[in-house]
Amino acid sequence: NAGVTQTPKFRVLKTGQSMTLLCAQDMNHEYMYWYRQDPGMGLRLIHYSVGEGTTAKGEVPDGYNVSRLKKQNFLLGLESAAPSQTSVYFCASSQPRDRGLLWPYEQYFGPGTRLTVT
Amino acid sequence: GEDVEQSLFLSVREGDSSVINCTYTDSSSTYLYWYKQEPGAGLQLLTYIFSNMDMKQDQRLTVLLNKKDKHLSLRIADTQTGDSAIYFCAESPRSQGNLIFGKGTKLSVKP
Repeated sequence: NAGVTQTPKFRVLKTGQSMTLLCAQDMNHEYMYWYRQDPGMGLRLIHYSVGEGTTAKGEVPDGYNVSRLKKQNFLLGLESAAPSQTSVYFCASSQPRDRGLLWPYEQYFGPGTRLTVT
Repeated sequence: GEDVEQSLFLSVREGDSSVINCTYTDSSSTYLYWYKQEPGAGLQLLTYIFSNMDMKQDQRLTVLLNKKDKHLSLRIADTQTGDSAIYFCAESPRSQGNLIFGKGTKLSVKP
Protein backbone atom coordinates (compact mmCIF):
# COMPACT_ATOMS: atom_id res chain seq x y z
CA ASN A 1 0.00 0.00 0.00
CA ALA A 2 1.24 3.48 -0.85
CA GLY A 3 -0.69 5.01 2.09
CA VAL A 4 -1.27 8.73 1.60
CA THR A 5 0.34 10.39 -1.40
CA GLN A 6 0.43 14.05 -2.37
CA THR A 7 1.03 15.74 -5.71
CA PRO A 8 3.05 17.83 -6.37
CA LYS A 9 5.92 17.75 -3.87
CA PHE A 10 7.05 21.30 -4.62
CA ARG A 11 5.50 24.27 -6.39
CA VAL A 12 6.27 27.94 -6.88
CA LEU A 13 3.38 30.24 -7.78
CA LYS A 14 3.13 33.92 -8.57
CA THR A 15 0.62 36.01 -6.63
CA GLY A 16 -2.82 35.63 -8.18
CA GLN A 17 -2.20 32.28 -9.85
CA SER A 18 -4.34 29.26 -9.06
CA MET A 19 -3.48 25.66 -8.43
CA THR A 20 -4.84 22.39 -7.08
CA LEU A 21 -3.10 20.06 -4.68
CA LEU A 22 -4.06 16.43 -4.95
CA CYS A 23 -4.18 13.96 -2.07
CA ALA A 24 -4.85 10.26 -2.61
CA GLN A 25 -5.17 7.41 -0.11
CA ASP A 26 -5.48 3.70 -0.73
CA MET A 27 -6.56 2.64 2.77
CA ASN A 28 -10.31 3.09 2.14
CA HIS A 29 -10.46 5.72 4.89
CA GLU A 30 -13.63 7.71 5.34
CA TYR A 31 -12.07 10.87 6.76
CA MET A 32 -9.54 13.11 5.03
CA TYR A 33 -7.91 16.37 6.11
CA TRP A 34 -5.82 19.23 4.80
CA TYR A 35 -3.39 20.99 7.14
CA ARG A 36 -0.84 23.71 6.70
CA GLN A 37 2.36 23.85 8.69
CA ASP A 38 4.18 27.11 9.36
CA PRO A 39 7.23 27.72 11.59
CA GLY A 40 6.18 28.26 15.20
CA MET A 41 2.50 27.70 14.34
CA GLY A 42 2.34 23.95 14.31
CA LEU A 43 -0.34 22.26 12.24
CA ARG A 44 -3.52 24.14 11.42
CA LEU A 45 -6.54 22.43 9.94
CA ILE A 46 -7.76 24.03 6.70
CA HIS A 47 -10.65 21.80 5.61
CA TYR A 48 -11.70 18.25 6.20
CA SER A 49 -14.10 15.65 4.87
CA VAL A 50 -15.99 12.91 6.69
CA GLY A 51 -17.00 11.08 3.54
CA GLU A 52 -17.32 11.17 -0.22
CA GLY A 53 -19.17 14.26 -1.36
CA THR A 54 -18.84 16.07 2.00
CA THR A 55 -16.48 18.83 3.12
CA ALA A 56 -16.26 21.10 6.14
CA LYS A 57 -14.23 24.11 7.25
CA GLY A 58 -11.40 23.81 9.70
CA GLU A 59 -9.50 26.45 11.61
CA VAL A 60 -8.06 28.43 8.66
CA PRO A 61 -10.30 27.88 5.58
CA ASP A 62 -10.14 31.34 3.98
CA GLY A 63 -8.55 31.41 0.54
CA TYR A 64 -8.93 27.67 0.01
CA ASN A 65 -11.56 25.38 -1.45
CA VAL A 66 -11.79 21.60 -1.38
CA SER A 67 -13.61 18.79 -3.10
CA ARG A 68 -14.09 15.10 -2.34
CA LEU A 69 -15.70 13.64 -5.45
CA LYS A 70 -14.15 10.23 -4.91
CA LYS A 71 -13.57 8.56 -1.57
CA GLN A 72 -9.87 8.09 -2.19
CA ASN A 73 -9.11 11.65 -3.32
CA PHE A 74 -9.23 15.02 -1.57
CA LEU A 75 -8.35 18.11 -3.57
CA LEU A 76 -7.24 21.45 -2.15
CA GLY A 77 -7.60 24.48 -4.41
CA LEU A 78 -6.11 27.93 -4.23
CA GLU A 79 -8.07 30.22 -6.55
CA SER A 80 -5.85 33.28 -6.24
CA ALA A 81 -2.61 32.55 -4.42
CA ALA A 82 -1.19 35.05 -1.93
CA PRO A 83 2.27 35.18 -0.30
CA SER A 84 0.58 34.40 3.05
CA GLN A 85 -0.24 30.97 1.62
CA THR A 86 3.44 30.08 1.38
CA SER A 87 3.57 26.99 3.57
CA VAL A 88 3.97 23.24 3.71
CA TYR A 89 0.66 21.50 3.13
CA PHE A 90 -0.12 18.09 4.57
CA CYS A 91 -2.94 15.77 3.77
CA ALA A 92 -4.06 13.09 6.23
CA SER A 93 -6.66 10.38 6.37
CA SER A 94 -8.26 8.24 9.05
CA GLN A 95 -11.08 5.91 9.77
CA PRO A 96 -14.02 7.38 11.69
CA ARG A 97 -13.35 7.73 15.35
CA ASP A 98 -14.72 4.86 17.39
CA ARG A 99 -17.89 6.16 19.02
CA GLY A 100 -17.18 4.14 22.12
CA LEU A 101 -13.77 5.80 22.28
CA LEU A 102 -12.28 2.40 22.97
CA TRP A 103 -9.56 2.54 20.39
CA PRO A 104 -6.84 5.07 19.70
CA TYR A 105 -7.51 7.35 16.79
CA GLU A 106 -4.71 7.61 14.27
CA GLN A 107 -4.33 9.95 11.34
CA TYR A 108 -2.04 8.91 8.50
CA PHE A 109 -0.11 11.73 6.88
CA GLY A 110 1.22 12.27 3.40
CA PRO A 111 4.78 13.54 2.78
CA GLY A 112 3.71 17.15 2.24
CA THR A 113 3.71 19.74 -0.54
CA ARG A 114 6.02 22.73 -0.18
CA LEU A 115 4.35 25.75 -1.78
CA THR A 116 6.01 29.13 -2.28
CA VAL A 117 4.00 32.12 -3.48
CA THR A 118 6.07 35.04 -4.72
CA GLY B 1 -11.52 25.76 24.33
CA GLU B 2 -8.97 23.16 23.39
CA ASP B 3 -5.31 24.11 23.45
CA VAL B 4 -2.19 21.98 23.56
CA GLU B 5 1.02 23.65 24.68
CA GLN B 6 4.61 22.53 24.15
CA SER B 7 7.97 24.22 24.26
CA LEU B 8 9.34 24.80 20.76
CA PHE B 9 12.92 23.60 21.12
CA LEU B 10 15.01 21.05 23.03
CA SER B 11 18.69 20.31 22.57
CA VAL B 12 20.44 17.30 24.10
CA ARG B 13 23.69 15.41 23.67
CA GLU B 14 23.77 11.96 22.13
CA GLY B 15 23.34 9.30 24.81
CA ASP B 16 21.47 11.59 27.20
CA SER B 17 17.76 11.30 27.97
CA SER B 18 15.33 13.73 26.35
CA VAL B 19 12.13 14.81 28.03
CA ILE B 20 9.50 16.62 26.00
CA ASN B 21 6.62 18.13 27.93
CA CYS B 22 3.08 18.97 26.94
CA THR B 23 0.02 20.42 28.64
CA TYR B 24 -3.50 19.98 27.37
CA THR B 25 -6.83 21.41 28.38
CA ASP B 26 -9.56 18.89 27.55
CA SER B 27 -9.89 16.20 30.20
CA SER B 28 -12.38 14.28 28.05
CA SER B 29 -9.68 12.97 25.71
CA THR B 30 -9.67 9.19 25.96
CA TYR B 31 -6.24 8.89 24.40
CA LEU B 32 -3.28 11.24 24.18
CA TYR B 33 -0.73 10.94 21.43
CA TRP B 34 2.82 11.67 20.42
CA TYR B 35 3.55 12.11 16.73
CA LYS B 36 7.03 12.38 15.21
CA GLN B 37 7.93 14.40 12.12
CA GLU B 38 11.32 13.70 10.58
CA PRO B 39 12.89 16.35 8.34
CA GLY B 40 11.08 16.69 5.03
CA ALA B 41 8.39 14.15 5.94
CA GLY B 42 4.85 13.98 7.25
CA LEU B 43 3.83 13.12 10.78
CA GLN B 44 3.82 9.55 12.02
CA LEU B 45 2.20 8.22 15.16
CA LEU B 46 4.98 7.43 17.63
CA THR B 47 3.04 6.28 20.65
CA TYR B 48 -0.14 6.93 22.58
CA ILE B 49 -1.45 6.47 26.10
CA PHE B 50 -4.91 5.63 27.35
CA SER B 51 -6.20 8.28 29.72
CA ASN B 52 -6.67 5.78 32.56
CA MET B 53 -2.96 4.99 32.57
CA ASP B 54 -0.19 6.89 34.36
CA MET B 55 2.71 5.48 32.39
CA LYS B 56 3.45 3.56 29.24
CA GLN B 57 6.84 2.20 28.28
CA ASP B 58 7.85 1.08 24.81
CA GLN B 59 11.55 0.27 24.40
CA ARG B 60 13.38 3.62 24.71
CA LEU B 61 10.17 5.60 25.01
CA THR B 62 8.35 6.35 28.26
CA VAL B 63 5.11 8.32 28.31
CA LEU B 64 3.97 9.81 31.62
CA LEU B 65 0.48 11.18 32.14
CA ASN B 66 -0.62 13.38 35.04
CA LYS B 67 -4.37 13.77 34.58
CA LYS B 68 -4.78 16.07 37.55
CA ASP B 69 -2.39 18.62 36.06
CA LYS B 70 -3.25 17.72 32.44
CA HIS B 71 0.44 17.15 31.78
CA LEU B 72 1.91 14.67 29.33
CA SER B 73 5.58 13.93 28.82
CA LEU B 74 7.66 11.84 26.44
CA ARG B 75 11.01 10.56 27.62
CA ILE B 76 13.50 9.17 25.11
CA ALA B 77 16.28 7.20 26.73
CA ASP B 78 19.77 7.05 25.20
CA THR B 79 18.87 9.69 22.61
CA GLN B 80 20.45 9.13 19.19
CA THR B 81 21.08 11.52 16.31
CA GLY B 82 18.31 9.67 14.44
CA ASP B 83 15.85 10.90 17.05
CA SER B 84 16.30 14.47 15.79
CA ALA B 85 12.84 15.48 14.67
CA ILE B 86 9.80 17.54 15.64
CA TYR B 87 7.58 15.88 18.23
CA PHE B 88 3.91 16.78 18.41
CA CYS B 89 1.63 16.17 21.34
CA ALA B 90 -2.05 15.67 20.43
CA GLU B 91 -5.36 15.17 22.17
CA SER B 92 -8.70 13.96 20.86
CA PRO B 93 -11.53 15.66 22.76
CA ARG B 94 -14.82 13.77 22.95
CA SER B 95 -16.60 16.77 21.45
CA GLN B 96 -14.56 16.62 18.26
CA GLY B 97 -13.89 14.03 15.62
CA ASN B 98 -10.38 15.32 15.15
CA LEU B 99 -6.98 15.62 16.76
CA ILE B 100 -5.79 18.83 18.38
CA PHE B 101 -2.03 19.20 17.90
CA GLY B 102 0.48 21.22 19.85
CA LYS B 103 2.91 23.42 17.93
CA GLY B 104 5.62 20.78 18.10
CA THR B 105 8.96 20.53 19.92
CA LYS B 106 12.05 20.44 17.73
CA LEU B 107 14.54 18.02 19.25
CA SER B 108 18.16 18.53 18.24
CA VAL B 109 20.66 15.83 19.19
CA LYS B 110 24.30 16.83 19.26
CA PRO B 111 27.00 14.20 18.79
